[in-house]
Amino acid sequence: AQTVTQSQPEMSVQEAETVTLSCTYDTSESDYYLFWYKQPPSRQMILVIRQEAYKQQNATENRFSVNFQKAAKSFSLKISDSQLGDAAMYFCAYDQTGANNLFFGTGTRLTVIP
Amino acid sequence: EAQVTQNPRYLITVTGKKLTVTCSQNMNHEYMSWYRQDPGLGLRQIYYSMNVEVTDKGDVPEGYKVSRKEKRNFPLILESPSPNQTSLYFCASSFTPPHRGRTNTEAFFGQGTRLTVV
Repeated sequence: AQTVTQSQPEMSVQEAETVTLSCTYDTSESDYYLFWYKQPPSRQMILVIRQEAYKQQNATENRFSVNFQKAAKSFSLKISDSQLGDAAMYFCAYDQTGANNLFFGTGTRLTVIP
Repeated sequence: EAQVTQNPRYLITVTGKKLTVTCSQNMNHEYMSWYRQDPGLGLRQIYYSMNVEVTDKGDVPEGYKVSRKEKRNFPLILESPSPNQTSLYFCASSFTPPHRGRTNTEAFFGQGTRLTVV
């Protein structure tokens, strides 16, 4: 079974600084998708960014970008110019083509210090 | 407004008393699924449905049932709830099963149902 590992249960960052959240995954497949989801205190699951494994270019969405290292099976999220609203639980997730099942990591709780 | 609606948002019940958590989406999505979220475990899939009358087990289906009689609704049924089913539950939907072909469609999540079984 696929596994997704987030080795940082908690992280903190100073407002306006940059923070990187780590994620590794295990798969024998070559075609798959990776995601970062944000869960604020409201509990809602919000898609932050997605990466298709067949694309070599790292995905970016405004202040959010990923460092996708396919050979190393690593998928880290970089948040630039951190804002107070970025404080949340962040989940890394893996989705294999045709599997119909999102595999989530255990989450990283991000605190933003004013 | 496109949304996935779960009810109730909070529920406290007793062991063995059957309950249903409803999920409804207004986006005409074929694919729907249920997850439970537990501290230190992330989200794990319980059941999913690729279309009306088509359902299948996820990673943790024991103790749960689902039905998909209509495209928009995907209720989660706990026939005899037990304390180990105390959890935060999420329903999600998307247009196609994630990653069919090369087009991934975004999964929309409901706002969650906090269930406590005593």
